[in-house]
Amino acid sequence: GAVVSQHPSWVICKSGTSVKIECRSLDFQATTMFWYRQFPKQSLMLMATSNEGSKATYEQGVEKDKFLINHASLTLSTLTVTSAHPEDSSFYICSAREGTSEPYEQYFGPGTRLTVT
Amino acid sequence: LAKTTQPISMDSYEGQEVNITCSHNNIATNDYITWYQQFPSQGPRFIIQGYKTKVTNEVASLFIPADRKSSTLSLPRVSLSDTAVYYCLVGASSGGSYIPTFGRGTSLIVHP
Repeated sequence: GAVVSQHPSWVICKSGTSVKIECRSLDFQATTMFWYRQFPKQSLMLMATSNEGSKATYEQGVEKDKFLINHASLTLSTLTVTSAHPEDSSFYICSAREGTSEPYEQYFGPGTRLTVT
Repeated sequence: LAKTTQPISMDSYEGQEVNITCSHNNIATNDYITWYQQFPSQGPRFIIQGYKTKVTNEVASLFIPADRKSSTLSLPRVSLSDTAVYYCLVGASSGGSYIPTFGRGTSLIVHP
């Protein structure tokens, strides 16, 4: 199946700094990418949906100025957590969708563990 | 948007067949049903997808009744490595765009 990679796999940063997480579709073009956040023992929570070349659509309650999403190409999307705080510590997972009609083929990255100290 | 309801947890033993049922009463005509498996600190992994009746692949079977208001993931002869969280997703059509939303999932624990 298709592969989605994330970089870095884990990151530790100090409170107040910004962190960028990359999501790449390695062998297909992703028309749409999704970003999720997952806290321990909880389900994945959708943060935003991004389409290549357009602004991301954020879910209710997700601060768009804090979580900057850039989907610059059909194979790369980035999530930047700006002015990170300890409560932003979480597991961030991206997903890339191939195709534009159902049944959608959706592939998930391995996740990025963010720890803010 | 179609919501899903699954049991929060299930226990089984090695070698047994496990059936996890998901309810999705508000499924739309064009929606597909997809199941994912997730291990701790990993991204979800696709297991199986179907629209109606029965679908089988090398790891699981998916049973969907005629009214499509529920679906059952069947894992034959589970092993310890099948201990994971299983999510049922239903394609949520919104203006023609699919928004994959996860429910709480089912935590399956396989015992020796």
